[in-house]
Amino acid sequence: NAGVTQTPKFQVLKTGQSMTLQCAQDMNHEYMSWYRQDPGMGLRLIHYSVGAGITDQGEVPNGYNVSRSTTEDFPLRLLSAAPSQTSVYFCASSTRPYSGTEAFFGQGTRLTVV
Amino acid sequence: AQTVTQSQPEMSVQEAETVTLSCTYDTSESDYYLFWYKQPPSRQMILVIRQEAYKQQNATENRFSVNFQKAAKSFSLKISDSQLGDAAMYFCAYRRGRETSGSRLTFGEGTQLTVNP
Repeated sequence: NAGVTQTPKFQVLKTGQSMTLQCAQDMNHEYMSWYRQDPGMGLRLIHYSVGAGITDQGEVPNGYNVSRSTTEDFPLRLLSAAPSQTSVYFCASSTRPYSGTEAFFGQGTRLTVV
Repeated sequence: AQTVTQSQPEMSVQEAETVTLSCTYDTSESDYYLFWYKQPPSRQMILVIRQEAYKQQNATENRFSVNFQKAAKSFSLKISDSQLGDAAMYFCAYRRGRETSGSRLTFGEGTQLTVNP
């Protein structure tokens, strides 16, 4: 039972480079989200998806792009990396929220932009 | 917009003693859920406890319990008989009950808990 799998776990990028953070879940969850974690700020929502083909912006979407072509996968793309995007990134998934079901998180990706 | 505030950036407790972590939130909704997540050094986000706003009874999970004060918009976490393995960053989180736009959690800033042997 893999749950939510994020790759890579660590990444160093140069300013201006692009990359994709991968997220996959095997629980057939409808909802998937990306958060970034910064010291003293908790986790903030970047983008989210309520199902295949449907995505929307969260609190801090600038500089990031997402797509959801399958239920299982929800990649996060950094278009042109900036030092301000140095952070720890978490992918999460959950079933319908009405019952208060918990969100399951991946183990995070620590990204450093130099 | 909903906000969640954790006013204690750091807390410490002696092993076997009790500690309470504070959380306040602001919302105009009546239907919502509150959570406490634990993040150990491994970075894994682990759900500790969940509270439904419509329930008056405070949630309890073994040594973890909450004091949910809906009118005051307060949601504190009590850890009894603290263990070394409880050392972690703790996040308070909020989610609207009738969330039709995905599982959107709003997090507090976090409280770093140290457990002293």
